[in-house]
Amino acid sequence: AQKVTQAQTEISVVEKEDVTLDCVYETRDTTYYLFWYKQPPSGELVFLIRRNSFDEQNEISGRYSWNFQKSTSSFNFTITASQVVDSAVYFCALSLSSGYSTLTFGKGTMLLVSP
Amino acid sequence: GAGVSQSPSNKVTEKGKDVELRCDPISGHTALYWYRQSLGQGLEFLIYFQGNSAPDKSGLPSDRFSAERTGGSVSTLTIQRTQQEDSAVYLCASSLGGTGRGYTFGSGTRLTVV
Repeated sequence: AQKVTQAQTEISVVEKEDVTLDCVYETRDTTYYLFWYKQPPSGELVFLIRRNSFDEQNEISGRYSWNFQKSTSSFNFTITASQVVDSAVYFCALSLSSGYSTLTFGKGTMLLVSP
Repeated sequence: GAGVSQSPSNKVTEKGKDVELRCDPISGHTALYWYRQSLGQGLEFLIYFQGNSAPDKSGLPSDRFSAERTGGSVSTLTIQRTQQEDSAVYLCASSLGGTGRGYTFGSGTRLTVV
């Protein structure tokens, strides 16, 4: 069975601070995909990134960056120079590559960015 | 359509009543998923449809829950004899199918059972 753990329930920062959201996953499969989604107050889940298990390169997209480390089964997400609009719940998720592709989600981290 | 559409956006129902939640996926997306988001519980998988294959119902919490997908497009999630613990946000997602492809989620239906 797969498991995704987001140990941080809620994080509060002040605008312009950097913040890292942790994600640790468990799976016996060697091929899998990892995702991050953002859920703003409107409720819709917004896709941020997908990373497959064979690609450990870190990725940067604007103020967002992701650090994938298979050795520690972690896929952490960093927001640089946070902004109020970054306030949302962020979910980490895992999908297997065998068979169908349902997502196993972590419980989410609520990020509050104050001005 | 341009995105995944869910209706109603909010539903309040009395305990014991049946409810139907609708999901209209992105045109051409062969895979459709239902997830439930309960307070403090994250998102849990309920059911998955892929093309004409038999749906994967392994996530449905009880036999009061059922879903169908007509014509490979619109899906309806039905909850019979609702209970207070059914109160949650029900999210639908669709994808082009195939493992690892990005999902597109709808805005969800917030169900409140009173």
